[in-house]
Amino acid sequence: QVQLVESGGDLVMPGGSLTLSCAASGFTFRDYYMSWIRQAPGKGLEWVSYMSISGNTIYYADSVKGRFTISRDNARNSLYLQMNSLRAEDTAVYYCARDLGDSSGPDYWGQGTLVTVSS
Amino acid sequence: QLVLTQSPSASASLGASVKLTCTLSSGHSSYAITWHQQQPEKGPRYLMKLNSDGTHNKGDGIPDRFSGSSSGAERYLTISSLQSEDEADYYCQTWGTGTWVFGGGTKLTVL
Repeated sequence: QVQLVESGGDLVMPGGSLTLSCAASGFTFRDYYMSWIRQAPGKGLEWVSYMSISGNTIYYADSVKGRFTISRDNARNSLYLQMNSLRAEDTAVYYCARDLGDSSGPDYWGQGTLVTVSS
Repeated sequence: QLVLTQSPSASASLGASVKLTCTLSSGHSSYAITWHQQQPEKGPRYLMKLNSDGTHNKGDGIPDRFSGSSSGAERYLTISSLQSEDEADYYCQTWGTGTWVFGGGTKLTVL
């Protein structure tokens, strides 16, 4: 069955950096768009970024543009999110998600990894 | 601007039915959406993709109790024969060029 397992969440100081990973299994990873979505404590879902199969198409939410970088390694069935210049408002659970098709929305979600930005 | 609006809360009795609403912003009434369920302390779960004509494609293992329908700019999620495990937050989501948008979510309480 489809499994998405995030890792890399941690406590980091404002201005710091962190890289999240998502290990995918149970499907042909290289055939799907992938995305990151986050949820601040007690808040709703916020889309962060998505990436096409080849990596030629990448989009970011305005709130993270210029600070976050999404990438993938199809040989390793892995998705990544490099986060720089972290702010308190980036504190959230970060979910990796598989796309339904053609970047229309998620059909499988991971369990999430918590990123806390605090001094 | 592409916006999805959901009521913050809803409630219904065990065994009853409930209809949750997601409203697309002006000019976007033809857009399809997806529905997701998030039970307490869990990651979200995809329920279905719902088109403007009311046709929908459910995710793997989603019970028949969950169905979708559409009318104009409104997209609905109906849950029948409510069970205690249906108590959760429900989010709608749609997409535009280079962006995804989530509604604010509806917290469903099963009485």
